[in-house]
Amino acid sequence: EPEVTQTPSHQVTQMGQEVILRCVPISNHLYFYWYRQILGQKVEFLVSFYNNEISEKSEIFDDQFSVERPDGSNFTLKIRSTKLEDSAMYFCASSAWTGSYEQYFGPGTRLTVT
Amino acid sequence: DAKTTQPPSMDCAEGRAANLPCNHSTISGNEYVYWYRQIHSQGPQYIIHGLKNNETNEMASLIITEDRKSSTLILPHATLRDTAVYYCIVNLGNEKLTFGTGTRLTIIP
Repeated sequence: EPEVTQTPSHQVTQMGQEVILRCVPISNHLYFYWYRQILGQKVEFLVSFYNNEISEKSEIFDDQFSVERPDGSNFTLKIRSTKLEDSAMYFCASSAWTGSYEQYFGPGTRLTVT
Repeated sequence: DAKTTQPPSMDCAEGRAANLPCNHSTISGNEYVYWYRQIHSQGPQYIIHGLKNNETNEMASLIITEDRKSSTLILPHATLRDTAVYYCIVNLGNEKLTFGTGTRLTIIP
């Protein structure tokens, strides 16, 4: 069964460093998303991406964040200068039109900023 | 997105049917009802969705009231692996998911 994969599973970085979180969505999907979940809190939407451009972003997704689909398979989230409060699980998701748009999530990357 | 209301927690005995309710009284005519679950910090997992009719798949059944203001997710024979937080979400489909706090379902051996 096709699935969304994410690498790395755990990333530790120092405050102020840049990180890139990588995702491989399901191959025939066209809609891509990033969410995050701070420990003990709700899953929060960050950004959606369709047709090579951002379709929606949340207030969390400020100038420090960017997304890219550099080739036909990868979807990346970059944080330019990490802060302590960026520590969270980051989930990638993808969806396709099948009469509706159920989203399929990856296992997540745990980002720890020290 | 329409607001949803779910009980914060529920218990269910292993092997019994788990019935998880959700109120969504402000749902609009073209919004779907989606159910997802999250097992202990794993990525959320899609379970089922519906618009007006009741739906069933290999994981669960979804019962939507005729006025569409509430729904019930049914796990017919709950197992310990069904212990998770269950989220009821309504939206148009091709948009972000807004997760609430969900219902923490605990399956009791």
